[in-house]
Amino acid sequence: AQKVTQAQTEISVVEKEDVTLDCVYETRDTTYYLFWYKQPPSGELVFLIRRNSFDEQNEISGRYSWNFQKSTSSFNFTITASQVVDSAVYFCALSEVRYKLSFGAGTTVTVRA
Amino acid sequence: DTGVSQDPRHKITKRGQNVTFRCDPISEHNRLYWYRQTLGQGPEFLTYFQNEAQLEKSRLLSDRFSAERPKGSFSTLEIQRTEQGDSAMYLCASSPVRTHRTDTQYFGPGTRLTVL
Repeated sequence: AQKVTQAQTEISVVEKEDVTLDCVYETRDTTYYLFWYKQPPSGELVFLIRRNSFDEQNEISGRYSWNFQKSTSSFNFTITASQVVDSAVYFCALSEVRYKLSFGAGTTVTVRA
Repeated sequence: DTGVSQDPRHKITKRGQNVTFRCDPISEHNRLYWYRQTLGQGPEFLTYFQNEAQLEKSRLLSDRFSAERPKGSFSTLEIQRTEQGDSAMYLCASSPVRTHRTDTQYFGPGTRLTVL
């Protein structure tokens, strides 16, 4: 069974528009961690953020913000005022045990100038 | 800090040949992970080392796959008798040991394998 679902396959926006990426996860554990990674065309996965299941406080970091809601098992990611350099594949991942990440299928974001 | 490095970045081989990939983790990271990523999908966990001990192997890791981390530093992933279905990006990641239950994994650039 898919543990992490990213329903949006591709999103295309014009520069300066906001982009929200959806992530829904499934777990029976009470303690777990959620991550977002960015994979630009170069291929390297870049870590963006980690949240644990006990911390539902939303976070803003520059143009990035995250909305974690345990009630709906969602961990959504918003890019504000998108830029061409934000074009990449974004992955949401879940860790239920300390050594393994379960990734979603990814959302391809294309920002047009 | 130097990031995770992987060698080679690209490998083209013929079906039936053996291939070996190398991963050098971030220094002082004692956990090392291998993942496989096929086109259009997210990475899938293959195996995990803590120091030199291989602690977990996914069912995706068939008998043709073997991974080692002999001195607890770099790791190698070998695929014997390659098949076309092995074509994928092989990603390595490392993480430090801290007090957290789960540590952030930092990924290398990957090795793209093409089996003809």
